[in-house]
Amino acid sequence: SQQGEEDPQALSIQEGENATMNCSYKTSINNLQWYRQNSGRGLVHLILIRSNEREKHSGRLRVTLDTSKKSSSLLITASRAADTASYFCATPTGANNLFFGTGTRLTVIP
Amino acid sequence: EAQVTQNPRYLITVTGKKLTVTCSQNMNHEYMSWYRQDPGLGLRQIYYSMNVEVTDKGDVPEGYKVSRKEKRNFPLILESPSPNQTSLYFCASSLWIGENEQFFGPGTRLTVL
Repeated sequence: SQQGEEDPQALSIQEGENATMNCSYKTSINNLQWYRQNSGRGLVHLILIRSNEREKHSGRLRVTLDTSKKSSSLLITASRAADTASYFCATPTGANNLFFGTGTRLTVIP
Repeated sequence: EAQVTQNPRYLITVTGKKLTVTCSQNMNHEYMSWYRQDPGLGLRQIYYSMNVEVTDKGDVPEGYKVSRKEKRNFPLILESPSPNQTSLYFCASSLWIGENEQFFGPGTRLTVL
């Protein structure tokens, strides 16, 4: 069964605004990761949040995890044009793999 | 510099002509994996390897082979490529899969005519 799925599929905001994207998953997890992908390039790890954590910060990024709702959100504050990218959540499937959703495509307009 | 490298970065080939995409990491990672990325489908795992000589199928292994003879290398082999294997391919590695970030290569864009 599929795990993490991002919402919305696409998001367009003005520079300086905040961007929020969500991830929902189906089975219990011990951690959830967020990645960024610039167009056509490899994914870059942003942040990992464990199941016993509710919120985590890294620079302008804030990630929350609600295990009761099986959902996570990624907030990018004070967005910049350079934040334009696709963002993926990834959840463990079994012991050996990560499942990546289809991503949220964020466009930040200068 | 810690990195995952892939070669070639771009490849156009014809149906049935065997090809290999190489992947190498310099971080002494145990775990390596191959993904393909297609519009609307996200990343789908093809094969993964937990260690040398240990490989296993991911979600979409049909038409692909892999080998892990050395810790640093994890080549992806298409014995008889078909047009439905046209895609963007990524190799990734991590210390192990549990709670470690995956490091991704730059991608290989493959077109099979």
